[in-house]
Amino acid sequence: KQEVTQIPAALSVPEGENLVLNCSFTDSAIYNLQWFRQDPGKGLTSLLLIQSSQREQTSGRLNASLDKSSGRSTLYIAASQPGDSATYLCAAVQGGSEKLVFGKGTKLTVNP
Amino acid sequence: ETGVTQSPTHLIKTRGQQVTLRCSSQSGHNTVSWYQQALGQGPQFIFQYYREEENGRGNFPPRFSGLQFPNYSSELNVNALELDDSALYLCASSLGTGNEQYFGPGTRLTVT
Repeated sequence: KQEVTQIPAALSVPEGENLVLNCSFTDSAIYNLQWFRQDPGKGLTSLLLIQSSQREQTSGRLNASLDKSSGRSTLYIAASQPGDSATYLCAAVQGGSEKLVFGKGTKLTVNP
Repeated sequence: ETGVTQSPTHLIKTRGQQVTLRCSSQSGHNTVSWYQQALGQGPQFIFQYYREEENGRGNFPPRFSGLQFPNYSSELNVNALELDDSALYLCASSLGTGNEQYFGPGTRLTVT
């Protein structure tokens, strides 16, 4: 059974700082891994999708990496801004499965 | 291109009642997945529909049921509501199974 863990549960940083959010998964036989952003009480916005054959994906100030052998993914946010404040969730899809297995998320606060 | 939409936005029901939540998938998507997100938790997979057939189910009792229509929109029905059913219900659509999922804004269900 796949389990996804995100550490830390919460993070507070000053504006402009570069930061890394961590995601670990127990079963390395994943099909892909997806990072999402969720604002309070809202739905999920897809940020990046990494296929199992890829090592990283980049979109603007965001960079996500995937290391299947160690069961880890990281989301790097460069030059953080107050508008980046949200909960960030990672989710893994197993090969042959149809469902996303989510971590509990990291709540990020970027202080002006 | 129209994104994923859900209705209603908020809903208050009494324990024992029944509820129907609706989801319209993103244009061109044939797969809809439903997730339940309790406060402070990551979303939990309920089930997925692919071309009008159930294509996988999470650890939810039979009183959670669904439908997918020929236009790929979907309904989630919950019978005999319990207090623990209070949550944000998220719908996601994708083109085929195992591909990037795009989420709607969610329906906040409160059971009193």
